[in-house]
Amino acid sequence: AQKVTQAQTEISVVEKEDVTLDCVYETRDTTYYLFWYKQPPSGELVFLIRRNSFDEQNEISGRYSWNFQKSTSSFNFTITASQVVDSAVYFCALDLYSSASKIIFGSGTRLSIRP
Amino acid sequence: DTAVSQTPKYLVTQMGNDKSIKCEQNLGHDTMYWYKQDSKKFLKIMFSYNNKELIINETVPNRFSPKSPDKAHLNLHINSLELGDSAVYFCASSDRDRGSGNTIYFGEGSWLTVV
Repeated sequence: AQKVTQAQTEISVVEKEDVTLDCVYETRDTTYYLFWYKQPPSGELVFLIRRNSFDEQNEISGRYSWNFQKSTSSFNFTITASQVVDSAVYFCALDLYSSASKIIFGSGTRLSIRP
Repeated sequence: DTAVSQTPKYLVTQMGNDKSIKCEQNLGHDTMYWYKQDSKKFLKIMFSYNNKELIINETVPNRFSPKSPDKAHLNLHINSLELGDSAVYFCASSDRDRGSGNTIYFGEGSWLTVV
């Protein structure tokens, strides 16, 4: 069965702290894609990153970085020097390319950055 | 230009009514979706269409009927609305067939409240 687990329901940190959001996925497929989406208080869902199962290189984009580890089936997301604008719900998602267009989302992590 | 647009953004209606939410994408994608997000922020796929053809129907009640007149549009009609239908409905699209990974782009969401 396919599953995405975001064990951290809520995280609250003080501005400028670093914070890591965990994502653990389950699949037996060898070809799949992993995603992170951000949902700010305004409600829209914003695409952040896509990573395919054959590319384990970590990625950095400004203050954001992603650590993909197939050995532990994890795709963690780190925000460095957090800012109040980073406050949002963050979703990790899994797409099995063998399935018919069915992306499975984790339950989300609500991140609050306190000034 | 909004890539995925859905209307209305807010909808308050009485139980038993019939309502529709419209969705259009101008990204040239061939796959469109409806997702439902409940009060706990859990995102679940309802339907997926590929080139106007239904490919995913996730045991959604028959009161929900998607219609795709062309691959740029996917509307959602809901009959006999119930209190439990209150949620945020997200339309989305992706370009699966190009083999570049199935990144889903979401509309801004339609907040449905049934009273």
